[in-house]
Amino acid sequence: AAGVIQSPRHLIKEKRETATLKCYPIPRHDTVYWYQQGPGQDPQFLISFYEKMQSDKGSIPDRFSAQQFSDYHSELNMSSLELGDSALYFCASSLVTQETQYFGPGTRLLVL
Amino acid sequence: AQTVTQSQPEMSVQEAETVTLSCTYDTSESDYYLFWYKQPPSRQMILVIRQEAYKQQNATENRFSVNFQKAAKSFSLKISDSQLGDAAMYFCAYLHYQETSGSRLTFGEGTQLTVNP
Repeated sequence: AAGVIQSPRHLIKEKRETATLKCYPIPRHDTVYWYQQGPGQDPQFLISFYEKMQSDKGSIPDRFSAQQFSDYHSELNMSSLELGDSALYFCASSLVTQETQYFGPGTRLLVL
Repeated sequence: AQTVTQSQPEMSVQEAETVTLSCTYDTSESDYYLFWYKQPPSRQMILVIRQEAYKQQNATENRFSVNFQKAAKSFSLKISDSQLGDAAMYFCAYLHYQETSGSRLTFGEGTQLTVNP
């Protein structure tokens, strides 16, 4: 079965640079979620989209923005990167009518 | 706000034995879902089992089962016949389902499970 695809899988950036993370949900899934997992921590909810509209917002820094496109893929844009942004970023998808979220493999971001 | 607590940072079990991981949560909602996710060294988040709060019957998935105590707000995971491949970080998670907008997961701190041969 098709799974959630995230790209890139690994990303190394310098401080103050920008990064764009992409997420391709499971086919026919209409809702996308972004989570951030710092070293040794549990995943923290950042933001979600349903039918291309932001549906919920968590602890996402103002330096970050995200959107969902007409083909339901989503991008997380991160600017003015800080050392503390180094983390594993997960995308998950679901049908809005169902409660179970399926996670992608994550993007490991390292900010030097 | 909902909170999820896993009081066991680390647990270990002998291969083929049974182990129980604990989770408690706090919520004022009456309708919600609870999940256990497994995160092996690859760091992929893998769904292990889910429980609907309105169902009294405990969920089971092969060797994995839960003990859901709604009044006590407790949701423990039992792994029977533990295998080496069960070694991972296990996260308990809470979700208050909202049909029109999707719903965020709130995770506990995780329990690192070691399986000894």
